[in-house]
Amino acid sequence: QKEVEQNSGPLSVPEGAIASLNCTYSDRGSQSFFWYRQYSGKSPELIMFIYSNGDKEDGRFTAQLNKASQYVSLLIRDSQPSDSATYLCAVKGNMLTFGGGTRLMVKP
Amino acid sequence: GAVVSQHPSRVICKSGTSVKIECRSLDFQATTMFWYRQFPKQSLMLMATSNEGSKATYEQGVEKDKFLINHASLTLSTLTVTSAHPEDSSFYICSAQRSDGRAEQFFGPGTRLTVL
Repeated sequence: QKEVEQNSGPLSVPEGAIASLNCTYSDRGSQSFFWYRQYSGKSPELIMFIYSNGDKEDGRFTAQLNKASQYVSLLIRDSQPSDSATYLCAVKGNMLTFGGGTRLMVKP
Repeated sequence: GAVVSQHPSRVICKSGTSVKIECRSLDFQATTMFWYRQFPKQSLMLMATSNEGSKATYEQGVEKDKFLINHASLTLSTLTVTSAHPEDSSFYICSAQRSDGRAEQFFGPGTRLTVL
């Protein structure tokens, strides 16, 4: 079992819709959780981090963390074609471990 | 803040040559830097963790004698691919973790290596 799991996708949503990206992790001792966005041919870019249970909002992005269920999610409201990318979930226990990423496609 | 640069951004070399890639944290100190490799349409693969002033820690399956890492200062780590072969062609990305203990990593723009 992988330590950080993501559905590889592609997840296809229409422009203006909410995109919901999910991530589960196995290490219960994990304390920090991150979402990175990676455009094709580019390196990852940090877009959100969350440390506490609950929701954290930043513009169109909301990160949700549930440590009891060991999942973290990223919601993107009013999705735009420019949001089309691969989204990487990263979990920090002893080290930062990345999921395989979910490819998001936002169709005009 | 938290800008990481890599040089070169793209390199094409002949088989058998060595290639050095530099990773610099421009506006913060990084005790720890990481080197990743990413093949097309695949996820990031951690190659090694580089700690300033000490030997790098390599992931299983990564040859330390082939991928030489030097972290000589708090703002610079280098990866040298020795005797490169076509199968080493990949996207090499470094990241840096701030020395103040914060967990997030900041990525450089990557280096695309093509070995002919």
